[in-house]
Amino acid sequence: GQQLNQSPQSMFIQEGEDVSMNCTSSSIFNTWLWYKQDPGEGPVLLIALYKAGELTSNGRLTAQFGITRKDSFLNISASIPSDVGIYFCAGPRAGKSTFGDGTTLTVKP
Amino acid sequence: DVKVTQSSRYLVKRTGEKVFLECVQDMDHENMFWYRQDPGLGLRLIYFSYDVKMKEKGDIPEGYSVSREKKERFSLILESASTNQTSMYLCASRRYGYTFGSGTRLTVV
Repeated sequence: GQQLNQSPQSMFIQEGEDVSMNCTSSSIFNTWLWYKQDPGEGPVLLIALYKAGELTSNGRLTAQFGITRKDSFLNISASIPSDVGIYFCAGPRAGKSTFGDGTTLTVKP
Repeated sequence: DVKVTQSSRYLVKRTGEKVFLECVQDMDHENMFWYRQDPGLGLRLIYFSYDVKMKEKGDIPEGYSVSREKKERFSLILESASTNQTSMYLCASRRYGYTFGSGTRLTVV
């Protein structure tokens, strides 16, 4: 099936630092989705991207849909302890989504 | 607010038992999904359903079956639980983006 490669696999950062993570695919996607999973909970949709080159913000989060349509980036500015969790990218295709393996973020106060 | 409810947060079952994981959504969505989440493996699709009484295999259907008798309810069945089915199970429903339940952490001993 389709594969989405997320990097980095994990990050350990200090509170206040900015965070960048990305997701790449060998296939083209028409939509990119970013989810966050808090410890012990299900993933929650953060940002949806629908157009190549699109840059969308949601508070301290900014995501971009790559021009080639094969990648996407998520940035978090001025991280805080509640940013801790697993961040997943997803690409819908044929009625179901392929998810990346996730980036686990740890924020040290 | 949209909701997906999974009947149990934690379950412990014995090897060989028949296990039912229940999921209910209140959004009148046609599409429902069961995923399994394991460390380092991301979210893997077990089964999904586009409509009542309809089911499709995902990427890892072996050892599982599903039932969708009503639109709002999608059940995952482990016919004979095994220790390698110890995992976090996530149900989701979808119209545009996914809405996930809080997950069921199943331990098979």
